[in-house]
Amino acid sequence: GAGVSQSPSNKVTEKGKDVELRCDPISGHTALYWYRQSLGQGLEFLIYFQGNSAPDKSGLPSDRFSAERTGGSVSTLTIQRTQQEDSAVYLCASSQTPTEAFFGQGTRLTVV
Amino acid sequence: SQKIEQNSEALNIQEGKTATLTCNYTNYSPAYLQWYRQDPGRGPVFLLLIRENEKEKRKERLKVTFDTTLKQSLFHITASQPADSATYLCASQKSNYQLIWGAGTKLIIKP
Repeated sequence: GAGVSQSPSNKVTEKGKDVELRCDPISGHTALYWYRQSLGQGLEFLIYFQGNSAPDKSGLPSDRFSAERTGGSVSTLTIQRTQQEDSAVYLCASSQTPTEAFFGQGTRLTVV
Repeated sequence: SQKIEQNSEALNIQEGKTATLTCNYTNYSPAYLQWYRQDPGRGPVFLLLIRENEKEKRKERLKVTFDTTLKQSLFHITASQPADSATYLCASQKSNYQLIWGAGTKLIIKP
């Protein structure tokens, strides 16, 4: 596609439910990142995928968070048993080189 | 620990003037710094990258400097316009593929 696409744009969920956030990167980009952005905070690194290599999961805040990338393209971030502190904007970015990332518009997650 | 800081207060500038935003880093020496623009409800958009061996980089009305002695990068927008109003994020290299991000500075250009 022309850019990085994320869905849904907004998600309101009840505490304790599971959610899945989707990212469709730019075609041909081998690197894919997930970040979390809370109000007034810098982007928080969550996970990084590069080609067929094992992902860097070092930024995932707890074992309730997981992500996968199928066929080196689309990625899904899953949050199980959501908590109110999970409320934030989740951003996906893809890149061909480490020095320029292209971001989607983000998914605003609200846990009530 | 590695830290990157931007002024959290909004910066108000009169149209036509030069806006200058600051990014300071501590406890490490990144090989490069990047600047991104973020509009409300949108993801960040890449603007410029400056490497540690470059003192200055320009792109149209944008200029970025990198002072490794002061551990600081400055981001300038000359002849500012209301359309330049946005939040500007600074990011520095942490590893081959990871960045450390500042919280951003909101820039407001008044007509």
